[in-house]
Amino acid sequence: NAGVTQTPKFQVLKTGQSMTLQCAQDMNHNSMYWYRQDPGMGLRLIYYSASEGTTDKGEVPNGYNVSRLNKREFSLRLESAAPSQTSVYFCASSLSGRETQYFGPGTRLLVL
Amino acid sequence: RKEVEQDPGPFNVPEGATVAFNCTYSNSASQSFFWYRQDCRKEPKLLMSVYSSGNEDGRFTAQLNRASQYISLLIRDSKLSDSATYLCVVTAMDTGRRALTFGSGTRLQVQP
Repeated sequence: NAGVTQTPKFQVLKTGQSMTLQCAQDMNHNSMYWYRQDPGMGLRLIYYSASEGTTDKGEVPNGYNVSRLNKREFSLRLESAAPSQTSVYFCASSLSGRETQYFGPGTRLLVL
Repeated sequence: RKEVEQDPGPFNVPEGATVAFNCTYSNSASQSFFWYRQDCRKEPKLLMSVYSSGNEDGRFTAQLNRASQYISLLIRDSKLSDSATYLCVVTAMDTGRRALTFGSGTRLQVQP
């Protein structure tokens, strides 16, 4: 039982490049989330998916897109990376929107 | 004003000390409260939920004061392994979704 997994662990991009962050969970959770964590800011919600087939914007969605590929997988895409997107990205899941969230190990992204 | 505010610390305490953190929140409609622990360069993990009547888990005690809109975490007999950042998390219903708001964390360093 791996819990929540994320790939890649680290990534360096140049401004304007695109990439997709992958997240998968094996806990049969319905809800999945993408957060970013910046120094002094706490975790901020980018997008979430309450259930398979649905996605909604969170607090800071600009510059990102998401896909809930199936119940297990929820990906985050940066179409044209900007230095302001340098951050640590965490994926999380919960059984439903009312339950404790479990986090993946994070992806450290540097945009030059 | 941030929705959830925490003293960033660091709190430097000797082993065996008792230390307390507070967290204030601005949304009076907040419904659920949690403390998460985050080790350096790792993902957040649930430490404990905070109930209205207060609750204890071993050396950890959490309290909620709805009237003053703050929650607290007390750690007794601090261990070196308690060194981490403690995140206050508050939830409220937002357009039908349970929205989690994270504080930016309080850093604890327990010294030998």
